[in-house]
Order: sequence, then C-alpha cells, then structure tokens
Amino acid sequence: QQQVKQSPQSLIVQKGGISIINCAYENTAFDYFPWYQQFPGKGPALLIAIRPDVSEKKEGRFTISFNKSAKQFSLHIMDSQPGDSATYFCAATGGATNKLIFGTGTLLAVQP
Amino acid sequence: DAGITQSPRHKVTETGTPVTLRCHQTENHRYMYWYRQDPGHGLRLIHYSYGVKDTDKGEVSDGYSVSRSKTEDFLLTLESATSSQTSVYFCAISESRAFSYNEQFFGPGTRLTVL
Repeated sequence: QQQVKQSPQSLIVQKGGISIINCAYENTAFDYFPWYQQFPGKGPALLIAIRPDVSEKKEGRFTISFNKSAKQFSLHIMDSQPGDSATYFCAATGGATNKLIFGTGTLLAVQP
Repeated sequence: DAGITQSPRHKVTETGTPVTLRCHQTENHRYMYWYRQDPGHGLRLIHYSYGVKDTDKGEVSDGYSVSRSKTEDFLLTLESATSSQTSVYFCAISESRAFSYNEQFFGPGTRLTVL
C-alpha cells in the first residue's frame, strides 16, 4: 500500500523530443504527488507537484498528468533539452504523516 | 541547497566502526529527515524528526539511530557500520504539514563507503 512504482528505469530522448515518465500508487490516502529532479552530485529538488483534485498541471515545459481512477500519474517534458538530463523521482504522501514515498527513479539522457 | 549543510561530504570507514553524519539547517524548519539513496531503490527514509527530541523510524531504520537536541541539527549514527550501509545519505527538511504542502529541501549528500 505504501509503494510508488516508477517506469522506465532509464530513458534516452533526442533534443526537442518529449520525455514521459510514469508512476503508479496503491494508497488512496495519498493526496500530494511531487516530482523531484536530481543532477549528478546534488540533492534532489522539487520540480513540480500536483494534488488529486486536478487532472493536469503545467509549468513551462513540464506537465504532470494525473489519473485518479487508475491511480497513476506521469511527468511529460516537452521540447526536451540536454540540460534536462538528470534523474527524476516521483513521490507521494498523504494521511497523518509528512513522509514522502519515492519511486525508484528514472535516469533521463537527452541527446543533442 | 536551502540552507542545509551535511558533514562530512565523503567518508570511508571500516566494518564495525561507529559513524556519525551531521545535518545542519539554517531555515528553522520543524521536520528533518535522513534518507539513503541506492541504485534501483530510489530514496528510502531512514528516520525523521518532527521536533526537538521527537523522532520516528522510517522504512529502513535497522542499524541506524538519530538524535535531535537542537532545531538546527539532526545526527545520524551507524552504531557498527556494515558494508550494506555503503550509500549516499541525504538530509532533508520541511515545514509543518499544517500548510498542506510537503516540499522537502535536500542537502548536498554524504557519500559513505564501508570497507
């Protein structure tokens, strides 16, 4: 019930293409779904987040799509750039605690 | 890194020795966390603190202890290090959930190698 499953494990995209990373969860108490971006040698940093009362959230080239009935959410990176090359983690939290449950991460490489 | 420092940044130690990692914040955030990051496992919560002297276990707490005597400092101790504890350790902080969002700010990490 506490797991967040993330796929794919790694992804190679050409510059200008669309990168798509998918996550699925089981716990229906989750009510906040952030995505974190991590560059090599750095700590993760919040990229974008969504609550289940909306189906989509867009910030610049980054969009979260959320499907509450399927318990799935995904990150879309439009017009992917080499500077987007990083590891991306989905996460979820909800209920009585402030703990985040992270997915296993996706290593994105955007080729020039 | 949002006013979070971790020390040391790198450490090599031998099996069976005690190790203490320190996290220091200047943001006065209530919550502090210790995670470990391993390939194929993502970030896993070790312990967290919701106030001075208030701590609780995460999903991978065996072999680890924590202490928080001041708001700004959160210590992670490996009582007797094992090779399975070789990992990158991240500290994170967040404000109270009372604000209904849970952004966590991460430190730069500590790379620990246990030989």
